[in-house]
Amino acid sequence: AQTVTQSQPEMSVQEAETVTLSCTYDTSESDYYLFWYKQPPSRQMILVIRQEAYKQQNATENRFSVNFQKAAKSFSLKISDSQLGDAAMYFCAYRSVRTYKYIFGTGTRLKVLA
Amino acid sequence: GAVVSQHPSRVICKSGTSVKIECRSLDFQATTMFWYRQFPKKSLMLMATSNEGSKATYEQGVEKDKFLINHASLTLSTLTVTSAHPEDSSFYICSARLGGSYNSPLHFGNGTRLTVT
Repeated sequence: AQTVTQSQPEMSVQEAETVTLSCTYDTSESDYYLFWYKQPPSRQMILVIRQEAYKQQNATENRFSVNFQKAAKSFSLKISDSQLGDAAMYFCAYRSVRTYKYIFGTGTRLKVLA
Repeated sequence: GAVVSQHPSRVICKSGTSVKIECRSLDFQATTMFWYRQFPKKSLMLMATSNEGSKATYEQGVEKDKFLINHASLTLSTLTVTSAHPEDSSFYICSARLGGSYNSPLHFGNGTRLTVT
């Protein structure tokens, strides 16, 4: 069975600085998808970025980028130029190409300090 | 963009009563919807996969007689918590996958905070 681990329950970053959130996963599959979702206080889950495992190039979305290390089964999220609105819970998620089930990590609470 | 609407956002009910939560895909057809439960400061736990026109698939440990799921149309799935008890109090979130694209991401509703007194 696949598992997703987020080892940082909470992180803090100064506004305008850069922060990296860690995520590791375990799977025996060779093809899959990885996602980072953001859950602000409103509880709405918002897709931040996604990565297809067959793509070697790291995904980027404006200030958000990932460091995808397939051999190490690592999928970290880098947030550059952090803004107060980035404060939220961040969940790493795995999805097999065979099913549509998502497996979520336990989340990292990001605090942005003014 | 794709929007998933979930209603109600908050509900308080008495122990022993039933509560229905609706999940609608507003501008796309969702052949598959997913129901998650989120405990305080915890991750999202998949409860069941709702398939339009067929029975839902429940995850291990989820009581299908307690959490009734009906996916009557391509835009609506409902979760009914039957004979609710205080331990059913939780945050329930639905999500939907845009049909036709096998690698499309999930779109989530705003969630429902259920409190059973």
